[in-house]
Amino acid sequence: GIQVEQSPPDLILQEGANSTLRCNFSDSVNNLQWFHQNPWGQLINLFYIPSGTKQNGRLSATTVATERYSLLYISSSQTTDSGVYFCAVDFTGTASKLTFGTGTRLQVTL
Amino acid sequence: DAGVIQSPRHEVTEMGQEVTLRCKPISGHDYLFWYRQTMMRGLELLIYFNNNVPIDDSGMPEDRFSAKMPNASFSTLKIQPSEPRDSAVYFCASSFMGTGANVLTFGAGSRLTVL
Repeated sequence: GIQVEQSPPDLILQEGANSTLRCNFSDSVNNLQWFHQNPWGQLINLFYIPSGTKQNGRLSATTVATERYSLLYISSSQTTDSGVYFCAVDFTGTASKLTFGTGTRLQVTL
Repeated sequence: DAGVIQSPRHEVTEMGQEVTLRCKPISGHDYLFWYRQTMMRGLELLIYFNNNVPIDDSGMPEDRFSAKMPNASFSTLKIQPSEPRDSAVYFCASSFMGTGANVLTFGAGSRLTVL
């Protein structure tokens, strides 16, 4: 069936370290987004990235649609980066029906 | 814009009671989504609307759940009767498809506890 797999499931970093989060998906997609859920539960959209590479400050994302994966890079991590990072993809062609992965839980320590 | 507004933020009710969750999307957005988040099942899409019309309700768990969008600025998700297994955080999100990129903005969520 349709799958969105994220790795690693958990990650602990010291402040200032860099990290790479991975999202593998089982079929072609026309909508892929990365979200951050902060410790208070708020879901924030980070990137809309069905293909290619984007950067926003210390965060960047790359999607290689032909190989069915996306990467989220966090550089010089800060404690405010803590939370859960979700990849969400649409397999239906509608660009609307997002299926969420199980997330990567990130904890950044001092 | 104030973002996507959900109410109530927290609701505690007893099994069998009716629950109504409310959502005000971002003005100008043409899509509205209801998601549910639980530890066991993660984030699940329940239903979504386009221009106030329900497009896909295949994620609605059963007939006890219903959703309406009477106008572009308001939607409700109703559970009647509620059961303990309905306890979850319910998120509303909205988006604008105009540029071809359906980027979701989420509300703060409504945490439901059914005793």
